[in-house]
Amino acid sequence: DIQMTQSPSSLSASVGDRVTITCRASQGISNYLAWFQQKPGKAPKSLIYAASNLQSGVPSKFSGSGSGTDFTLTINSLQPEDFATYYCQQYNSYPRTFGQGTKLEIK
Amino acid sequence: QVQLVQSGAEVKKPGASVKVSCKASGYTFTNYGISWVRQAPGQGLEWMGWIITYNGNTNYAQKLQGRVTMTTDTSTSTAYMELRSLRSDDTAVYYCARGSDSDYWGQGTLVTVSS
Repeated sequence: DIQMTQSPSSLSASVGDRVTITCRASQGISNYLAWFQQKPGKAPKSLIYAASNLQSGVPSKFSGSGSGTDFTLTINSLQPEDFATYYCQQYNSYPRTFGQGTKLEIK
Repeated sequence: QVQLVQSGAEVKKPGASVKVSCKASGYTFTNYGISWVRQAPGQGLEWMGWIITYNGNTNYAQKLQGRVTMTTDTSTSTAYMELRSLRSDDTAVYYCARGSDSDYWGQGTLVTVSS
């Protein structure tokens, strides 16, 4: 199975900050990586697919990059509604696997 | 607009089975596969399996093999996930999601396993 490791596990930031979350795959997954945002009590929401493509309706403050084993999610100009938990997932091979999540909290 | 609407919360006893439904609308059902993902209380996301909706082919997580069955009814654009021999650690919110990249998600179904 491919292991997905996110860092950091938690992150404290202020409104207006820019943050970057990293996701590393235990083996190459090309660009078959998605990023999700989840707020408490809600279903995950898709932000990015194929490592760097923004889902329809997702603001351009979110961006993704990477290929192979190393990927990043960057969020510019944090707003209160961005504080949530973020997950990466590889869909290159079965079983699909998620990172453990990164909880983004307000400083 | 694309929607995945799941069935309501369930409470089951250990050893019982549960079947969760996921009704799709707003797109051609057989053009996208469906994933099932669960989330235990306070935990992360766990991929359970995948079904190709146009032919019913499935791929399940190893740890659930033998206990889980995913099916579809193309006449009603509905996907189903049945989990048998329920244990307390199956207590979780269960989600369906569309496509390889899980672009749309159902609202979730809480399954509580308790004696």
